[in-house]
Amino acid sequence: NAGVTQTPKFRILKIGQSMTLQCTQDMNHNYMYWYRQDPGMGLKLIYYSVGAGITDKGEVPNGYNVSRSTTEDFPLRLELAAPSQTSVYFCASRRQGNEKLFFGSGTQLSVL
Amino acid sequence: LAKTTQPVSMDSYEGQEVNITCSHNNIATNDYITWYQQFPSQGPRFIIQGYKTKVTNEVASLFIPADRKSSTLSLPRVSLSDTAVYYCLVGESNFGNEKLTFGTGTRLTIIP
Repeated sequence: NAGVTQTPKFRILKIGQSMTLQCTQDMNHNYMYWYRQDPGMGLKLIYYSVGAGITDKGEVPNGYNVSRSTTEDFPLRLELAAPSQTSVYFCASRRQGNEKLFFGSGTQLSVL
Repeated sequence: LAKTTQPVSMDSYEGQEVNITCSHNNIATNDYITWYQQFPSQGPRFIIQGYKTKVTNEVASLFIPADRKSSTLSLPRVSLSDTAVYYCLVGESNFGNEKLTFGTGTRLTIIP
């Protein structure tokens, strides 16, 4: 199994551009999460989903949108990118009833 | 989700046992305690999970006192490769607590 796969690994955006960070998992996990991690800091929860068609805001949702049309995929959309969104983005998933999170390898995003 | 408090950083010499303590005074009856390890440029990785007393696996031990208001991650005979950030999470795996947020973590540095 591939686990949690994130694409792209690196991306540079100009201010005001938009993009979608892709996340897919092949473990049939109900729960999926998006976190961002600024340099030297901890992880902040952006959005999460407990199943297809259900999403909810985390600690820092402003400037982002998500969708969950299938169990496998949980894309994160950045609209009107800003320098403050320069960060490493991690997608994670877990099975209901188990707090063991599985993380992707991350997407390093720079907004210039 | 019960808030957690950990030391910001710790240093230790190779070959020593390292104990990292996490305080979670507001832990609820159904909450589990989970520890993650994060290396630079990687997503966090699950280390160990417990509910009470002691749990041991091939990587670490987790000690939880009877009142469960704290927990201690113990790493035996650390090596340079154990240099990482360690996060403690407290929460219930099932319905009502899907929102998993991370604290600031403990940055462990192993000295040769």
